[in-house]
Amino acid sequence: TQLLEQSPQFLSIQEGENLTVYCNSSSVFSSLQWYRQEPGEGPVLLVTVVTGGEVKKLKRLTFQFGDARKDSSLHITAAQPGDTGLYLCAAKRNQFYFGTGTSLTVIP
Amino acid sequence: EAGVAQSPRYKIIEKRQSVAFWCNPISGHATLYWYQQILGQGPKLLIQFQNNGVVDDSQLPKDRFSAERLKGVDSTLKIQPAKLEDSAVYLCASSSNSIRTPAAKNIQYFGAGTRLSVL
Repeated sequence: TQLLEQSPQFLSIQEGENLTVYCNSSSVFSSLQWYRQEPGEGPVLLVTVVTGGEVKKLKRLTFQFGDARKDSSLHITAAQPGDTGLYLCAAKRNQFYFGTGTSLTVIP
Repeated sequence: EAGVAQSPRYKIIEKRQSVAFWCNPISGHATLYWYQQILGQGPKLLIQFQNNGVVDDSQLPKDRFSAERLKGVDSTLKIQPAKLEDSAVYLCASSSNSIRTPAAKNIQYFGAGTRLSVL
């Protein structure tokens, strides 16, 4: 069983549409991270959320940490082809755990 | 600042052969991680080093996988003998352990990875 479950697993949308990716767990975390991984590259950290209910914005990306610090969401407004990639959530227990990933394709 | 360097980028071997991957972390980063990423999944931690000591290797299949970081800088990960299910991307990451910026220890910088195909 995965510590962090992401949904959806795959997402294919048209340029300009909005989307939300979810990261869920039954465990409580002190912080949670979101990464984006492009083909042939390693993951790159986008944001770290620390406080329950926290909302962070990174241009057209909005990240939210659940009040109970068990889940998080990533919302992208007006998606662009450059947003295409694998989105991963990650959290640290005694080691780092990554989620199952959401593969996003934005069609021009 | 140079990023995390990994080599080779690609490797194709037959099952039961041996293979080794190399990683050079960002200069000054005390912590080094090796991850296995199977196609369509998130990375799974194999081993974590703090300088030249092992912090966590609980998910490393020790009957066939080994890793070392003898001088606390670069590291090698070896698989001997390889199995078909070892086909994956092997990612190396590093993070700082500076006492001046405690939050930096949770920021991992990844290399581009080595894609291993076992036939």
